[in-house]
Amino acid sequence: DAGVIQSPRHEVTEMGQEVTLRCKPISGHNSLFWYRQTMMRGLELLIYFNNNVPIDDSGMPEDRFSAKMPNASFSTLKIQPSEPRDSAVYFCASSLGLAELNEQFFGPGTRLTVL
Amino acid sequence: SQKIEQNSEALNIQEGKTATLTCNYTNYSPAYLQWYRQDPGRGPVFLLLIRENEKEKRKERLKVTFDTTLKQSLFHITASQPADSATYLCALLTSSASKIIFGSGTRLSIRP
Repeated sequence: DAGVIQSPRHEVTEMGQEVTLRCKPISGHNSLFWYRQTMMRGLELLIYFNNNVPIDDSGMPEDRFSAKMPNASFSTLKIQPSEPRDSAVYFCASSLGLAELNEQFFGPGTRLTVL
Repeated sequence: SQKIEQNSEALNIQEGKTATLTCNYTNYSPAYLQWYRQDPGRGPVFLLLIRENEKEKRKERLKVTFDTTLKQSLFHITASQPADSATYLCALLTSSASKIIFGSGTRLSIRP
């Protein structure tokens, strides 16, 4: 298996533009997580899905952020409009399920820079 | 408020020594605790999980302890090697796995 796949790996955009980050989880994994990592705030859980259904989106910073999981093999995180403070590395992770014994497998991340 | 703290300063250890990293938490009752390794430019990689009713877990040169009274987990790397140099993150999970909170990480450097 190729592991969790994220695209793009790097994104540079201007303030106000829409940004869409993409994630393909490991085949057979039922849970998918979106994280944001910055020097100041560390790794923050934004939202997670189980069986394609959003379970907890309390970490989503504001209405400008939205996430979807239309099927078991694809998820998107959208920021509209983007702001400079959204600059961070965004990670997608997947696991077999939500059970505590299931380790999360992280993707390589998307480094987002909003100018 | 709920808080997780890891060694705020980077840890520099001589090769061959044991490295010990700390994860402290407040106002939180985790049922499970995980440790991850993160290398620059990469996503975290899972290392170990320990349950609240377990005091210690080992995997090769790694050892994790979990003291719910002290609200602390310790992560040990014995016979440390330069290849162990990375940032190590602890993550707390509630019993329902409904909340997952990561610490800010500790940067570990092993010098030859």
